[in-house]
Amino acid sequence: ESVLTQSPGTLSLSLGEGATLSCRASQTVSNNYLAWYQQKPGQAPRLLIYGASSRASGVPDRFSGSGSGTDFTLTISRLEPEDFAVYYCQQYGGSVTFGPGTTVDSK
Amino acid sequence: QLQLQESGPGLVRPSETLSLTCTVSGDSINTRAYYWGWVRQSPGMGLQWIGNIYYTGIAYYNPSLRSRVTISTDTSTNQFSLRVKSVTAADTALYYCARGPSRGPDGLFDYWGQGILVTVSS
Repeated sequence: ESVLTQSPGTLSLSLGEGATLSCRASQTVSNNYLAWYQQKPGQAPRLLIYGASSRASGVPDRFSGSGSGTDFTLTISRLEPEDFAVYYCQQYGGSVTFGPGTTVDSK
Repeated sequence: QLQLQESGPGLVRPSETLSLTCTVSGDSINTRAYYWGWVRQSPGMGLQWIGNIYYTGIAYYNPSLRSRVTISTDTSTNQFSLRVKSVTAADTALYYCARGPSRGPDGLFDYWGQGILVTVSS
């Protein structure tokens, strides 16, 4: 089973700053079947990015995904108040697993 | 507007069977466009994909859970269900039902229910 590792564990940033979140897979992610989810306290995860770089419906364009193979990145260009949350990467398809998450909190 | 709502007992005894239902409104589960599935979340395991089922009735499961899990649908009530047999404390988690696009592979979910907490304890 391919394991996903996310870094950093916590990112402390201010409003308007950019955020770069990393996700690394222990094996190549086939067809770039890599997704990113956002989860706020008391809420279900929300799909942000699928296929490594495609934004889900209704997701603001300040969120972007990139990467291929085993290394992927979620970038938030300018943090808005509603962006402080936990972000999970997920590989899907043959092996469906989630990373442990990165918390983005307010500095 | 699509809504998914989990229901079932919040407490299950060890060695018994956990049974949950997801009621879907705003869409039909009997559609080629989507599959329907379950994900659970616990402090120890994080997020874990349990499995998903297509309108054909064919289901795919997490290999680590396959021997204990069954997902089924009831198109007459527009519900789908999860059964996990022989539960232990490790099955204590927040259980989510969710929808995924069938044009893609298993495990991707674009719409989620709010979740139901299930505790396994005597």
